[in-house]
Amino acid sequence: QVQLVESGGGVVQPGRSLRLSCAASGFTLRSYEMHWVRQAPGKGLEWVAVTSHDARNENYADSVKGRFVISRDNSKNMVYLQVNSLKEDDSAVYYCTREGDWSFTHWGQGTPVTVSS
Amino acid sequence: DIQMTQSPSSLSASVGDRVTITCRASQTISTYLNWYHQTPGKAPKLLIYDASRLQSGVPSRFSGSGSGTEFTLTISSLQPEDFATYYCQQSFTTPYTFGQGTKLEIK
Repeated sequence: QVQLVESGGGVVQPGRSLRLSCAASGFTLRSYEMHWVRQAPGKGLEWVAVTSHDARNENYADSVKGRFVISRDNSKNMVYLQVNSLKEDDSAVYYCTREGDWSFTHWGQGTPVTVSS
Repeated sequence: DIQMTQSPSSLSASVGDRVTITCRASQTISTYLNWYHQTPGKAPKLLIYDASRLQSGVPSRFSGSGSGTEFTLTISSLQPEDFATYYCQQSFTTPYTFGQGTKLEIK
């Protein structure tokens, strides 16, 4: 069955960086667009970024553009989110999601990121 | 960016009740509208995609309708596991925006 497992979150100081990883299994990763969605504590869902199935195209929310980079390695069944110049507002659970039929059909369990001095 | 506005923000209901949640888009999005629900500490789960299509495995008590800028999610007969937060989301164009959520609580 489809599985998405995120890792790489943690507690980090403002201005620092992290690389979040998403291990995909149970499907052919190269056939799907993949997204990251985040949720700040007690808040709603915020779309963060998307990578096209072939890694040729990316798009970002304005709130992270220029600081975050989404990437993928289809040969390793992995999707990544490099999060740089972190701010306290970036504190959230980060979910990896698979797109299908223009929707987010499958979600990982999320990896928490806390930005605090 | 397309703004998605849900109403109500919270709702109290009883098991067996019929409930409806509304989602409005700030511009037309055809039927590129999805619904999710989320329980505390868990990832969201897709319920309805393309405004009215039921995701595989989702009970038929859930239904969606609408097109353009106005959409609804209806739960025909609430079950205990339905008490959760519901989000709409547009996939017409990036950034793919979500509504602020509707918290459905037990009366």
